Amino acid sequence: QQQVKQSPQSLIVQKGGISIINCAYENTAFDYFPWYQQFPGKGPALLIAIRPDVSEKKEGRFTISFNKSAKQFSLHIMDSQPGDSATYFCAAKRGTSYDKVIFGPGTSLSVIP
Amino acid sequence: NAGVMQNPRHLVRRRGQEARLRCSPMKGHSHVYWYRQLPEEGLKFMVYLQKENIIDESGMPKERFSAEFPKEGPSILRIQQVVRGDSAAYFCASSPPQISGANVLTFGAGSRLTVL
Repeated sequence: QQQVKQSPQSLIVQKGGISIINCAYENTAFDYFPWYQQFPGKGPALLIAIRPDVSEKKEGRFTISFNKSAKQFSLHIMDSQPGDSATYFCAAKRGTSYDKVIFGPGTSLSVIP
Repeated sequence: NAGVMQNPRHLVRRRGQEARLRCSPMKGHSHVYWYRQLPEEGLKFMVYLQKENIIDESGMPKERFSAEFPKEGPSILRIQQVVRGDSAAYFCASSPPQISGANVLTFGAGSRLTVL
């Protein structure tokens, strides 16, 4: 119930291509879904986040698509660049005021020239 | 604004010793979270604290691990009698007082514990 599933575990994309990472959850009490980006040796940093009342959110080359009925959400990185090579974590949190953020297992993205 | 400061960045301990990891949250942030990251694995929640109060410790191992966030000073994650399986990166994150739903965590760079 508290889990967030994420796939694929690793992803290799050609420069200029689209990177797609998928996540799924069970707990319908989750209502905040952030994505974090982590470079080697660094802490994760918030990339983009969505609430379930919208089906899509776009910020630059990064887009979150959200399917509330399927309890799935995904991150699309358009025109992927070598600098996007990092580990990406989807996450979820319940709507209550005091609650932890639950992270998926992560996807290691490599963008090759 | 120096962000979330964690120290030490690297810590080596022998089995049976104690490890103390410190975290100073961002200015204005009163909530602190500790996560553990094992090699090739995701971030596992350990504990969530406010000043002088543990909000949620459901991810903390029942023995040897403890955490505090005193009124003055940094938050401390303490691991007693370390074992090799404790080797991991420990990340601290902080947030401002939560509003319902959204919660932007700001992470530190992590403390990497190696147990020999």
